[in-house]
Amino acid sequence: DAGVTQSPTHLIKTRGQQVTLRCSPKSGHDTVSWYQQALGQGPQFIFQYYEEEERQRGNFPDRFSGHQFPNYSSELNVNALLLGDSALYLCASGFRDREQFFGPGTRLTVL
Amino acid sequence: AQSVAQPEDQVNVAEGNPLTVKCTYSVSGNPYLFWYVQYPNRGLQFLLKYITGDNLVKGSYGFEAEFNKSQTSFHLKKPSALVSDSALYFCAVRPTSNDYKLSFGAGTTVTVRA
Repeated sequence: DAGVTQSPTHLIKTRGQQVTLRCSPKSGHDTVSWYQQALGQGPQFIFQYYEEEERQRGNFPDRFSGHQFPNYSSELNVNALLLGDSALYLCASGFRDREQFFGPGTRLTVL
Repeated sequence: AQSVAQPEDQVNVAEGNPLTVKCTYSVSGNPYLFWYVQYPNRGLQFLLKYITGDNLVKGSYGFEAEFNKSQTSFHLKKPSALVSDSALYFCAVRPTSNDYKLSFGAGTTVTVRA
């Protein structure tokens, strides 16, 4: 049984560009959350999707948007990239409101 | 205001000795509490959780945590540390059942020397 998977593993973009990150939840899970982890810090909550809708959002600007598909997979989109968006982006899945299981992350570097 | 505090940036112990990683929280009510571990260039792995019930929670890899409501603490413990326990440990809190956001502490780096 595969756990949470994310793609790509690494990504390099330049300022102003747009990026899409992808996540497939663990089998049987129906919620997907996204977190941003800057170097040397704990993860920060971006938003959570459930039943294809954004159920809760953290303190991130509208440049950060997402989507959940009928098969529960999810995308995170970031527009107008800033240098400060460089981070490890973590996807976490869960069943209903039980504990979340994290994927390996996507390392985004903005130049 | 920070919801979760991990007062120690680093913890160093000898293999075979007890390991404790401290966590305090500042959320009212009955929060859900979690511990995760992160190895280099990896995502977070779930260790254990406290929702309700017995204050001593047992988790993966021999870890356990003690919930203390009066001290608002949730310290992670392992009776006998292994070199392979060397990693970055995060405490996280979910304020209520209707708040799905996990708020993480800054992390504690554990080094277990042989």
